[in-house]
Amino acid sequence: KNQVEQSPQSLIILEGKNCTLQCNYTVSPFSNLRWYKQDTGRGPVSLTIMTFSENTKSNGRYTATLDADTKQSSLHITASQLSDSASYICVVSAPNDYKLSFGAGTTVTVRA
Amino acid sequence: NAGVTQTPKFQVLKTGQSMTLQCAQDMNHEYMSWYRQDPGMGLRLIHYSVGAGITDQGEVPNGYNVSRSTTEDFPLRLLSAAPSQTSVYFCASSYQESSYNEQFFGPGTRLTVL
Repeated sequence: KNQVEQSPQSLIILEGKNCTLQCNYTVSPFSNLRWYKQDTGRGPVSLTIMTFSENTKSNGRYTATLDADTKQSSLHITASQLSDSASYICVVSAPNDYKLSFGAGTTVTVRA
Repeated sequence: NAGVTQTPKFQVLKTGQSMTLQCAQDMNHEYMSWYRQDPGMGLRLIHYSVGAGITDQGEVPNGYNVSRSTTEDFPLRLLSAAPSQTSVYFCASSYQESSYNEQFFGPGTRLTVL
């Protein structure tokens, strides 16, 4: 059973608009959570990493939040650009375990 | 630095054929891993290595072999290809095996088994 669930599966937004992606996980105990961006035909690239003690982390127009109590994270994209069109993957890890639990990803399409 | 490189980018095999997917990194990373990515599923770990000469199985190792004779190279061998192995394969590396270390992914190999 996948321990990381992402929603929505896909979404379409207009250029300049904001959007929020969700990640719920059951990994316990919890060590850290990463968001990756995967462009079509490319490998994933890390956007942010948060430990259990952090509740927000920004990387440019990307802002990730984490609620370790409810085991939820979100990725907010501000003022979207065409280059934001990609799949966004939530990845969770447990302490002392370098094996990662990957979500299936949310595909974002930004239209002009 | 080239980062993580993979070859080939695309490959079509017939059932029963064998092949090797190549992966190399020039960042002197100790930890390397192979994942497969299938539609609607998260990346799944096939095999991993924490250093030259050391390999171990991941979540879905059946039908695949690996070796790590050097720090730089981590090839993945398909012994007898099956249609269920049709997937996109990613190699990744990180400085050490800690989950705090960012994994750097290669561009992927798209494999189709007929």
